Amino acid sequence: AQSVTQLDSQVPVFEEAPVELRCNYSSSVSVYLFWYVQYPNQGLQLLLKYLSGSTLVKGINGFEAEFNKSQTSFHLRKPSVHISDTAEYFCAVRIKAAGNKLTFGGGTRVLVKP
Amino acid sequence: GAVVSQHPSWVICKSGTSVKIECRSLDFQATTMFWYRQFPKQSLMLMATSNEGSKATYEQGVEKDKFLINHASLTLSTLTVTSAHPEDSSFYICSGEGVSGSWPNQETQYFGPGTRLLVL
Repeated sequence: AQSVTQLDSQVPVFEEAPVELRCNYSSSVSVYLFWYVQYPNQGLQLLLKYLSGSTLVKGINGFEAEFNKSQTSFHLRKPSVHISDTAEYFCAVRIKAAGNKLTFGGGTRVLVKP
Repeated sequence: GAVVSQHPSWVICKSGTSVKIECRSLDFQATTMFWYRQFPKQSLMLMATSNEGSKATYEQGVEKDKFLINHASLTLSTLTVTSAHPEDSSFYICSGEGVSGSWPNQETQYFGPGTRLLVL
């Protein structure tokens, strides 16, 4: 079975500073990878996803992530955060050849300080 | 972008009553819908997967008789929490998988805003 580990449960960061959220996965088969953002009391919004091709994926709101197969990682980055980026971020994987279920990591809470 | 709505957004009920939560895909057809449960400050846990017109597939440990799921059409799925108890209090989130007319223009899971259930 696959699993997803988000190493940081909370990441405080100052406004306009860069941020990196770490995500590692475990799977014996090929996976698709996703990052979602959840604002308070809301559902999840897709930030970006990796299906194939270029390992550097650009998403919405200035976020990008890099797929590293050898390290089984899919870290999320943003070069300069805004107050509005304060939210919970979830990494998720989906097995390529086995349906469409997502397995989520535990989430990383980003708190952007002025 | 693709929109999934949930109704109600929050509900308070007495222990022993049943609560129905609706999930609708507003601008795309969702052949598959998912129901998740999220406890405070925790991740989403998949409860069940439903395909239009067929029975839902429940994850291990989820009681199918307690959490009734109906996927009547390509745009509507409902979750009924039967005989709710305080331990059922949680944030329930649905998602629909389909292709919208905007980014990323691929089959993607679109999530609803969630329904907060409080059972007294």
